[in-house]
Amino acid sequence: GESVGLHLPTLSVQEGDNSIINCAYSNSASDYFIWYKQESGKGPQFIIDIRSNMDKRQGQRVTVLLNKTVKHLSLQIAATQPGDSAVYFCAENRSPENTGFQKLVFGTGTRLLVSP
Amino acid sequence: EAQVTQNPRYLITVTGKKLTVTCSQNMNHEYMSWYRQDPGLGLRQIYYSMNVEVTDKGDVPEGYKVSRKEKRNFPLILESPSPNQTSLYFCASGLKTGSTEAFFGQGTRLTVV
Repeated sequence: GESVGLHLPTLSVQEGDNSIINCAYSNSASDYFIWYKQESGKGPQFIIDIRSNMDKRQGQRVTVLLNKTVKHLSLQIAATQPGDSAVYFCAENRSPENTGFQKLVFGTGTRLLVSP
Repeated sequence: EAQVTQNPRYLITVTGKKLTVTCSQNMNHEYMSWYRQDPGLGLRQIYYSMNVEVTDKGDVPEGYKVSRKEKRNFPLILESPSPNQTSLYFCASGLKTGSTEAFFGQGTRLTVV
């Protein structure tokens, strides 16, 4: 069946390092791919999205890469900080009949642990 | 402050006792949705609504009902809760078009015994 999943359940990095969180997807019809961050005890928070016709998008300290050939999505966080410690979810926007928003399908999440 | 508010935050109930989890947003968003979050399964969509009086099933709708009588409110109803509905529930809202940013509530932790 169709799925959005993650390669690694936990990623541990040192403060100041760059972090790379990976995600595999299987639905080529998705129009957007999105990354969310969930801190302990809170709801998910939007980080960045990328349209399916792009292969790279940059935000503040974050970069999302999309490789449609191998159906792979990654989130790169530069100079990781303790405040980046959270669970990161990739999600696909599967818009029924191209109506815009939105049927978000989430992956299972990767926990990022940043040590000082 | 722009926000999505869920109530209650925590609820313990018994099997079969009807309950409602409320969700309200103050951003005039057309789109609202309910998700449940379970360990190892991520967030799964229960129901969503594209506008007032328009609702549709997500991936795991069995055992749940929703209504969208007003734009700001999207309650989740469990007519006869069962232990397998013990979970962490999130409500989200967003613009119908032009953005993929969904705004999530703080979550409701439900335990059915």
